[in-house]
Amino acid sequence: DGGITQSPKYLFRKEGQNVTLSCEQNLNHDAMYWYRQDPGQGLRLIYYSQIVNDFQKGDIAEGYSVSREKKESFPLTVTSAQKNPTAFYLCASSPRTGAAYGYTFGSGTRLTVV
Amino acid sequence: DAKTTQPTSMDCAEGRAANLPCNHSTISGNEYVYWYRQIHSQGPQYIIHGLKNNETNEMASLIITEDRKSSTLILPHATLRDTAVYYCIVRPRTLNFGNEKLTFGTGTRLTIIP
Repeated sequence: DGGITQSPKYLFRKEGQNVTLSCEQNLNHDAMYWYRQDPGQGLRLIYYSQIVNDFQKGDIAEGYSVSREKKESFPLTVTSAQKNPTAFYLCASSPRTGAAYGYTFGSGTRLTVV
Repeated sequence: DAKTTQPTSMDCAEGRAANLPCNHSTISGNEYVYWYRQIHSQGPQYIIHGLKNNETNEMASLIITEDRKSSTLILPHATLRDTAVYYCIVRPRTLNFGNEKLTFGTGTRLTIIP
């Protein structure tokens, strides 16, 4: 079945370490997104990419980096520069036309800094 | 994306209809109303969308007022599995390349009571 796979589901990181969250999709979607969600809050956009080898900053990109070397993959690196990285991270993809009913989300990665 | 206003939380008895309101008084003529829901610790899931006519699918019904300034999502026979945060989003159906990102507010936390 087509969908988005995020791994790992739970991730623990020591302060000062970089960590990479994986996101893979087999929906043949052009666009991919990373969101961050804090307890009781809505989703905030970190980065998004409409095509391979191109990506744009979202609303809260500081302390994060991404790459889009393959259409299927959009990994997110949480760097040591991110002051408060503990959060729930969601990856999504959509067809290039951006029809809002076409968004598919992964099941998320919960990152905890220890 | 146009701004929406939703109640922070609502309760509904199991088996009854759950009616979730959304105010979008600044909606533009080309903007659709979309509903997503997020079950705890999962990614958001698309429910339904509409422009000006009422819509129904296997999950829910969407009622949009004639002036399009507000809408109501109806879950006709709520079950415990409908407990989730429900997001109302307004935006054009498709956007120019580079503007496909989806913006989420804080939504309505719906609790179905046994």
